Amino acid sequence: SQQGEEDPQALSIQEGENATMNCSYKTSINNLQWYRQNSGRGLVHLILIRSNEREKHSGRLRVTLDTSKKSSSLLITASRAADTASYFCATDKGRSGGSYIPTFGRGTSLIVHP
Amino acid sequence: DSGVTQTPKHLITATGQRVTLRCSPRSGDLSVYWYQQSLDQGLQFLIQYYNGEERAKGNILERFSAQQFPDLHSELNLSSLELGDSALYFCASSGTKTNYGYTFGSGTRLTVV
Repeated sequence: SQQGEEDPQALSIQEGENATMNCSYKTSINNLQWYRQNSGRGLVHLILIRSNEREKHSGRLRVTLDTSKKSSSLLITASRAADTASYFCATDKGRSGGSYIPTFGRGTSLIVHP
Repeated sequence: DSGVTQTPKHLITATGQRVTLRCSPRSGDLSVYWYQQSLDQGLQFLIQYYNGEERAKGNILERFSAQQFPDLHSELNLSSLELGDSALYFCASSGTKTNYGYTFGSGTRLTVV
């Protein structure tokens, strides 16, 4: 099973509204990252939050991390049609042969209607 | 352009065939990761190389193999292809400090017919 699981699987909103996506994970982490993927394209790194951080901002993005609940949320404020994409959380699953391996959930598909 | 180059972008081949996917990491990155993305399995980690050596293995089939060359580019070899191998294959690279995230290529879409 996936280390990170995003919720909801799909989200449909109107332009200007806020979009909130959640990610839950199972084991302890070093950091948690959020990525965006436009249809059929590569993943683009959005933001990284370390395990000792609780909140982080980048432009219209706000990420929170609750290590006690093993969960994170990504908030996109004042959404735009161009924000339509799939959003993935990734955790460093843990060391494997000396490496931290980024492990992804199945993603949240966000549709922003103009 | 992310700095990670993957070729080819599209590949159509028949069952039983063998293909090679190529990845050039972002300049200065020593680690290369390969992922397979399909609708039913999501994004699955296959294998990681660091400076020419295999570092970690994920859900990689025995029919698949990879290597990283001295110039740090990597190749993923898929053999005895089956219909179920149709997917997007991504490579990502990172530097020594993974706290800055991973840079993904635009992927190779493999269709097995």
